[in-house]
Amino acid sequence: AQTVTQSQPEMSVQEAETVTLSCTYDTSENNYYLFWYKQPPSRQMILVIRQEAYKQQNATENRFSVNFQKAAKSFSLKISDSQLGDTAMYFCAFMKGGTGNQFYFGTGTSLTVIP
Amino acid sequence: GAVVSQHPSWVICKSGTSVKIECRSLDFQATTMFWYRQFPKQSLMLMATSNEGSKATYEQGVEKDKFLINHASLTLSTLTVTSAHPEDSSFYICSARAGTDYSNQPQHFGDGTRLSIL
Repeated sequence: AQTVTQSQPEMSVQEAETVTLSCTYDTSENNYYLFWYKQPPSRQMILVIRQEAYKQQNATENRFSVNFQKAAKSFSLKISDSQLGDTAMYFCAFMKGGTGNQFYFGTGTSLTVIP
Repeated sequence: GAVVSQHPSWVICKSGTSVKIECRSLDFQATTMFWYRQFPKQSLMLMATSNEGSKATYEQGVEKDKFLINHASLTLSTLTVTSAHPEDSSFYICSARAGTDYSNQPQHFGDGTRLSIL
């Protein structure tokens, strides 16, 4: 079974500063994908960034980047130049490759950006 | 593109009522849909996976007779909470995916349905 752990229930950051959210996972699979999703107060799940396990290069999307350490099974999210709109719950998710693949979510980190 | 619509967004009903939640893929055909349940300030828990034209696969601990899932077309899946009770109150979210291999077809989430049973 796959497990995803987010050890930081709550975090805060000053506007324009950088913050890193932690995520670790446990799996025996070799083909898988990792994601960070954002859930603002509106409750819609918004994909922030994704990483294919077979890619060594860390994924980046504008102000969002990840530090993917496959051997350590670690997948942290770095948010640079934090904005007020980044305030939300952030969920780390794991998905096996192949067919019938479902997500396994971590418990989430509530991020507050302070003006 | 890749919009998933969930309806209703919020429903309040009396205990013992059955409630149907719809999940529609508006601009793509969804081979697979997933239903999640989320309690306040908690993570999403997968309830079941439904594939068009076949029976849903339920996660361990989820009562299939309580949570009826129908995926009769490539654009619509429904979750019916039968004889709902206050403990069924929760936020329910669906996601949809086209194709069978993630590499080209990611999941897209609906906006969720807040279910409150009085």
